[in-house]
Amino acid sequence: GQNIDQPTEMTATEGAIVQINCTYQTSGFNGLFWYQQHAGEAPTFLSYNVLDGLEEKGRFSSFLSRSKGYSYLLLKELQMKDSASYLCAVREGISGSARQLTFGSGTQLTVLP
Amino acid sequence: KAGVTQTPRYLIKTRGQQVTLSCSPISGHRSVSWYQQTPGQGLQFLFEYFSETQRNKGNFPGRFSGRQFSNSRSEMNVSTLELGDSALYLCASSGTAKETQYFGPGTRLLVL
Repeated sequence: GQNIDQPTEMTATEGAIVQINCTYQTSGFNGLFWYQQHAGEAPTFLSYNVLDGLEEKGRFSSFLSRSKGYSYLLLKELQMKDSASYLCAVREGISGSARQLTFGSGTQLTVLP
Repeated sequence: KAGVTQTPRYLIKTRGQQVTLSCSPISGHRSVSWYQQTPGQGLQFLFEYFSETQRNKGNFPGRFSGRQFSNSRSEMNVSTLELGDSALYLCASSGTAKETQYFGPGTRLLVL
């Protein structure tokens, strides 16, 4: 089984940088995903890490340390539209299927003007 | 490519009824996974289908079932609805095992 922890809420100012942390415990790690979900909408894919290190994609970066069971999502130059819930999800390497994602409870980010 | 589509988008049912939700994956994707999202429990995995076979199932009662057709479209069924089944039901599709899952807009089910 898996246990995924991330902060419930965070607040930041427009133009600033925010880091959302995620820790996990898993019996068979096979990748970590970050999704963004605006209220009333479906989750949209942001980033994917399977090896240790930093993945950068525009204003968004994601970091993974498998030995520490730790990831973070870094959002730069925050915009009001970045106010959303950010979901950390771990994929477990189940025999015959590697598509099940276990999600954290999500971090509700509020960007203030 | 068109994204994942789900129908209907909204549904109101009463306790004891049953419901069938539909999901059409991205063209070429053969894996469809279903999730339930509620404010209290967050996003929880229901089951995954690949090539018409259920390959993985989450911790939900037998009232929750699904199937996948030869064109990869999938349906999920919930029988004997309970108030606690009120939720957003999301389906996600992916191609290979290492690919990202892409979510549909969801079906919001309200059980009265």
